[in-house]
Amino acid sequence: SQQGEEDPQALSIQEGENATMNCSYKTSINNLQWYRQNSGRGLVHLILIRSNEREKHSGRLRVTLDTSKKSSSLLITASRAADTASYFCATVDSDNYGQNFVFGPGTRLSVLP
Amino acid sequence: EAGVTQFPSHSVIEKGQTVTLRCDPISGHDNLYWYRRVMGKEIKFLLHFVKESKQDESGMPNNRFLAERTGGTYSTLKVQPAELEDSGVYFCASSQVTGYSGEQYFGPGTRLTVT
Repeated sequence: SQQGEEDPQALSIQEGENATMNCSYKTSINNLQWYRQNSGRGLVHLILIRSNEREKHSGRLRVTLDTSKKSSSLLITASRAADTASYFCATVDSDNYGQNFVFGPGTRLSVLP
Repeated sequence: EAGVTQFPSHSVIEKGQTVTLRCDPISGHDNLYWYRRVMGKEIKFLLHFVKESKQDESGMPNNRFLAERTGGTYSTLKVQPAELEDSGVYFCASSQVTGYSGEQYFGPGTRLTVT
């Protein structure tokens, strides 16, 4: 089965800097989604990028998708302390009618004031 | 519009006890999913309901876990008897359309601690 894998597993930056997280997956997908989990809280949907898209923006977020390399990156610009959280990419195997997500282990982002 | 809700937010039980988690999906969403994140590891799929039917339960770890969705509305996930390794955060998600990989809306999760 496919598996999203984030890289790096942990990232620590200063407020105002940019943070880049990468994700790899193994099978064909319809789309790839990024989620955030603040400590002890639920998952928040950040952005969805479809398999026919290469780049997508939403506010301070920029996501790229390279289906030939089966990888995606999430860039957070001008980071803030409130961005401190775990970030997960999630994919669904395009052959999986059930659509259950496969998440990677996540990247723990710490933004220091 | 109300989002996905889960109850309780946190449960602490002893090994061998029973716990029932509840998920209320967004109204009108036929698809309901359960996931869990154990010991800070990756989030793993448990099962998927379409209305009241189990579409896919391939992620259920063992027969100590029982999920139901009577009437196709809210769902419960019962762990009986609970073991230490069951500790983690249990997420529920719902989506509107089957057969289309769209966004799943997640609840806040239930943090289960088995001591």
